Amino acid sequence: LAKTTQPISMDSYEGQEVNITCSHNNIATNDYITWYQQFPSQGPRFIIQGYKTKVTNEVASLFIPADRKSSTLSLPRVSLSDTAVYYCLVGVALDTPLVFGKGTRLSVIA
Amino acid sequence: EADIYQTPRYLVIGTGKKITLECSQTMGHDKMYWYQQDPGMELHLIHYSYGVNSTEKGDLSSESTVSRIRTEHFPLTLESARPSHTSQYLCASRSGNTIYFGEGSWLTVV
Repeated sequence: LAKTTQPISMDSYEGQEVNITCSHNNIATNDYITWYQQFPSQGPRFIIQGYKTKVTNEVASLFIPADRKSSTLSLPRVSLSDTAVYYCLVGVALDTPLVFGKGTRLSVIA
Repeated sequence: EADIYQTPRYLVIGTGKKITLECSQTMGHDKMYWYQQDPGMELHLIHYSYGVNSTEKGDLSSESTVSRIRTEHFPLTLESARPSHTSQYLCASRSGNTIYFGEGSWLTVV
């Protein structure tokens, strides 16, 4: 599983766009990039996944540059309910255990 | 939406008691995981399984044990609970690049 690096925490005001960048310098050719969101007292839930360029769904966008050594999760116009921990995971090898890092703790302020 | 269930959701037990946390999934996933997480802290992988009769220890040493006799079930057992085992335990299963989490089991040992 490729090692990832994310900011420990971020603050944002309501209504702003939030971008969280994850570095994964040793990403392998077959690796996908997946982001999860975790609210207090709940298990993480899938947000978005991508391999290259840009992916968008109803919740977020994921931007992946050509070298794929980083990725950026973009949350448009955040609200207080987006306050959570966001995890970036990289790797598809089915025989490797799934290890979450510390994630990025996003605090949205009114 | 994934179908993965954990019981009990909340449990308070005395020191020295034996406890089994149940985890079941109806999706036929081979890969299942147990994570331990204290409030506001990092998710730690404590056990995982790649299929029936397969179990491995995760990156965090744990005094718990697991079994995988059937694909659907991945129970976690503490033979003699201690206050240091007080935590949230999250079960997950995996399909391809996506992880599905249960709602968690909050264990308090007094």
